[in-house]
Amino acid sequence: DARVTQTPRHKVTEMGQEVTMRCQPILGHNTVFWYRQTMMQGLELLAYFRNRAPLDDSGMPKDRFSAEMPDATLATLKIQPSEPRDSAVYFCASGLFRVPPDTQYFGPGTRLTVL
Amino acid sequence: SQQGEEDPQALSIQEGENATMNCSYKTSINNLQWYRQNSGRGLVHLILIRSNEREKHSGRLRVTLDTSKKSSSLLITASRAADTASYFCATDARAQKLVFGQGTRLTINP
Repeated sequence: DARVTQTPRHKVTEMGQEVTMRCQPILGHNTVFWYRQTMMQGLELLAYFRNRAPLDDSGMPKDRFSAEMPDATLATLKIQPSEPRDSAVYFCASGLFRVPPDTQYFGPGTRLTVL
Repeated sequence: SQQGEEDPQALSIQEGENATMNCSYKTSINNLQWYRQNSGRGLVHLILIRSNEREKHSGRLRVTLDTSKKSSSLLITASRAADTASYFCATDARAQKLVFGQGTRLTINP
């Protein structure tokens, strides 16, 4: 049963610390998305990759957030330095690149709390 | 603002009843998707309906799409406690990205 996995599932850190979240997309999927979910803003797209290349990261605060795909099996989202307003659940999703876009498969999320 | 907006924001019904949620969007779409999110979990894809389709079924789910009104509805028949979740519509209006609505929180009371 292929699934998107994310680590860690929970992270509590102090303001100013670096946070790295990892995602393993479903094998064979060539598109990876990072979302952030909060009560106030709902589900926001931060960035997405196709064949490991960043296609759009316009939803991401550039000064502190960065997203990469070192290889086809790993996507990372890094926040440095973290701030309390970054507290949210961060989801990774993967899928096959289609026009128009097709089904996305979500991971369980990383719940981040910045104190 | 969000492309897709669900209505109602919250819905509470008795087990066995039908639940209907609506989604409205602003611009033309190629397809519309519905997802479910159980508390503390990631979103799970339920159904995709294309712009040239008017109705689609999957088990106890029925989705309709009215492109003239820019709206879609999700009907869950014979609801069960396990259907308690948040339901989101997602549209593809922005390039190849999906844009999600704020969701409808559905509670099924035993």
